[in-house]
Amino acid sequence: AQSVTQLDSHVSVSEGTPVLLRCNYSSSYSPSLFWYVQHPNKGLQLLLKYTSAATLVKGINGFEAEFKKSETSFHLTKPSAHMSDAAEYFCVVSYYDMRFGAGTRLTVKP
Amino acid sequence: GAGVSQSPRYKVAKRGQDVALRCDPISGHVSLFWYQQALGQGPEFLTYFQNEAQLDKSGLPSDRFFAERPEGSVSTLKIQRTQQEDSAVYLCASSPQGEYGYTFGSGTRLTVV
Repeated sequence: AQSVTQLDSHVSVSEGTPVLLRCNYSSSYSPSLFWYVQHPNKGLQLLLKYTSAATLVKGINGFEAEFKKSETSFHLTKPSAHMSDAAEYFCVVSYYDMRFGAGTRLTVKP
Repeated sequence: GAGVSQSPRYKVAKRGQDVALRCDPISGHVSLFWYQQALGQGPEFLTYFQNEAQLDKSGLPSDRFFAERPEGSVSTLKIQRTQQEDSAVYLCASSPQGEYGYTFGSGTRLTVV
């Protein structure tokens, strides 16, 4: 069985400050892990994916995530938040299907 | 096409009505998934196709839900005798063979009144 737990339902940061969205996973297999972003009334967009290559994965819009097997974590970070980053973020674990976390809503204050 | 296309974009159904939601995946994509996203929740897996074969339908919430992909391209999700709890956004995603990560459509927002 595989699942993900997003540890924060809501994160609020000020523009220009770092972003940290936390995700822990559980998987019986070597997992593939993803982060997706969903802006209001928009579709899901792939930010980045980990598929057992480098443990530090760089994605679009300055986001990156580090796979830590010992901690079963795959946290998403960005050094400096922008107003346009405000959205819902989903951590996803995949074997052949994709299992989503409950999501973290990121708010960026001016 | 350039992306995964879903139609209709919005659907309002009266309780008890049957609905059909369409997904047109990216051309050549072998894998196709349906997800249900309730308000304020993450997408929940419904069913998975590889070409025309439905390999996993374990996520379908009841026997009122039925999905097909007869020619291995376009897929239809049918919901019979809709109930209020069926109100959600239904997302379709597709992927090439062996690829990780899927391209999602914009979804169909179903409201049952």
